[in-house]
Amino acid sequence: GENVEQHPSTLSVQEGDSAVIKCTYSDSASNYFPWYKQELGKRPQLIIDIRSNVGEKKDQRIAVTLNKTAKHFSLHITETQPEDSAVYFCAARNTGTASKLTFGTGTRLQVTL
Amino acid sequence: DAGITQSPRHKVTETGTPVTLRCHQTENHRYMYWYRQDPGHGLRLIHYSYGVKDTDKGEVSDGYSVSRSKTEDFLLTLESATSSQTSVYFCAAQGTGGDTQYFGPGTRLTVL
Repeated sequence: GENVEQHPSTLSVQEGDSAVIKCTYSDSASNYFPWYKQELGKRPQLIIDIRSNVGEKKDQRIAVTLNKTAKHFSLHITETQPEDSAVYFCAARNTGTASKLTFGTGTRLQVTL
Repeated sequence: DAGITQSPRHKVTETGTPVTLRCHQTENHRYMYWYRQDPGHGLRLIHYSYGVKDTDKGEVSDGYSVSRSKTEDFLLTLESATSSQTSVYFCAAQGTGGDTQYFGPGTRLTVL
């Protein structure tokens, strides 16, 4: 089955700096890659996603890039703010039944003042 | 919140007792999922459903069963709870025409 690796596990940046989180996946047939943000004690919420036919997608301060050849994708957050502090999960969707997602193990991002 | 609720939100139980967690959604989503979340492991799929009475196993299904008798409800049962099943359980749902999985608020289960 699909395997998703995510790095780093923790990331500390100063407010205003950029943050990058990287994920690799194993199944070359995976076609959809979402990113979720989870604040402490809350549910995961989708912040951005990308399909395999697109190389980059941007939404205000966040962007995701996808390299299908290398089987990796990254989340970029620019001009970080304290409210960006959370755990971020990447995921890859398998092409089989029911749109199953395989998640990475998460990155705890801390934005310091 | 995509109309997904979970009950109970917190539960403490003893080893060996059966436990049922309920996920309820109001958006008529076809697909529903149960995940468990543990430190260092992210979200791991337990079971999923692709329609009423259509369910299948995920990567960590041992010790768990599910049922879906109505579109809106997806039940997760721990047949005989063990301490290793202490976790936070999230339900998710996804519609047929979209990509997004929406998550419920989670259930924190402690097995003593």
